Amino acid sequence: GDSVTQMEGPVTLSEEAFLTINCTYTATGYPSLFWYVQYPGEGLQLLLKATKADDKGSNKGFEATYRKETTSFHLEKGSVQVSDSAVYFCALSDRPSSASKIIFGSGTRLSIRP
Amino acid sequence: DVKVTQSSRYLVKRTGEKVFLECVQDMDHENMFWYRQDPGLGLRLIYFSYDVKMKEKGDIPEGYSVSREKKERFSLILESASTNQTSMYLCASSFNEKLFFGSGTQLSVL
Repeated sequence: GDSVTQMEGPVTLSEEAFLTINCTYTATGYPSLFWYVQYPGEGLQLLLKATKADDKGSNKGFEATYRKETTSFHLEKGSVQVSDSAVYFCALSDRPSSASKIIFGSGTRLSIRP
Repeated sequence: DVKVTQSSRYLVKRTGEKVFLECVQDMDHENMFWYRQDPGLGLRLIYFSYDVKMKEKGDIPEGYSVSREKKERFSLILESASTNQTSMYLCASSFNEKLFFGSGTQLSVL
């Protein structure tokens, strides 16, 4: 079945460092891809999405590009802040329709040092 | 704003009890989901529903069932709770593939 694999954490960086969190997927069709974020003490919320190959999703300085050839959707940010400390989840939607099943990776905890 | 409400924030039950977790959304979304969140395992899909009375199994449906009698309400049922079902349970609804999550129910089975 479909699956999402993301790099294990925790990831600890200094403020203003460059961030990459790797995510790869396995899917039989043409999934939509997402990054969700869970800040401490809060619920999950959508960070960005991409619906087809070569699409780039972006939000709050984060970016991820849908790479069909490498089945990847890596999350990047050029200069992280302490406020970016959170758990990040990569996810896919297996069917681009109203009856889509959405599955998640195991999450990557990110901690940013001042 | 979309509101997804889970009936309890914390719940403690005994092994063998039948447990009901309730979830209500106020935005007329067709799709609703139940996940469990465990450290190191991320979110795992238990069941989802794409319409009233319609349901599909997720990746870990064993030991669970669901009910969707009305569009706004999606219930998760643990027929006979076991200690390995101690977890954080998250309900969500979706529109245009975007998930809206409730605040979660931390269930402890003793």
